[in-house]
Amino acid sequence: QSALTQPASVSGSPGQSITISCTGTSSDVGSYNLVSWYQHHPGKAPKLIIYEANKRPSGISDRFSGSKSGNTASLTISGLQAEDEADYYCCSYAGSSVYVFGTGTKVTVL
Amino acid sequence: EAQLVQSGAEVKKPGESLKISCEGSDYSFSTYWVAWVRQLPGQGLEWMGIIYPDDSVTKYSPSFQGQVTLSADKSVSTAYLQWRSLRASDTAIYYCARRSGRGHGFDMWGQGTMVTVSS
Repeated sequence: QSALTQPASVSGSPGQSITISCTGTSSDVGSYNLVSWYQHHPGKAPKLIIYEANKRPSGISDRFSGSKSGNTASLTISGLQAEDEADYYCCSYAGSSVYVFGTGTKVTVL
Repeated sequence: EAQLVQSGAEVKKPGESLKISCEGSDYSFSTYWVAWVRQLPGQGLEWMGIIYPDDSVTKYSPSFQGQVTLSADKSVSTAYLQWRSLRASDTAIYYCARRSGRGHGFDMWGQGTMVTVSS
């Protein structure tokens, strides 16, 4: 299982929107609508922000949205805020109870 | 409040064995899958494997198969990650995470256990 591919870094100014891509294969992202996204502030536990590609858990801001097309999933953060500065990871089900994370993207708020 | 609480930081020598734990509380621990995730220093998250505490069905990432052992004791609501012989390259933060009952997201995480392997 190879890690899903994410850009190493994405940046934006406060109030702007940014999008993070997550590219897998037809064996993982492309086969299942079971992509999740996590926000990870260093020193803290990761936090689920999107599941099933485009659903938000209770309590997650609607500034976070997800989508998927083919082998690529995307996370969009709109109205970027200073507190959004963190690492973001996608994760996909890959069949047979196996999952794979993305390489991670560092989001910088300029 | 439901939570996962992991055991404390460990410092071990190469070749030593280790078992770290992840205790769940305030939810039906045995009926939710628990995954383990590694974060090497300065690196990203890696999915290691997953266990269903009710019957200890386990699935490993090919990268970790044979390198670690997952186990669980539902009587004490605890999952474990174990090494028989540690290497310096096992130095990392290890997280446990509960898989949600819907959608396959990992909706609850432990605080992480730092494992340092050094001679």
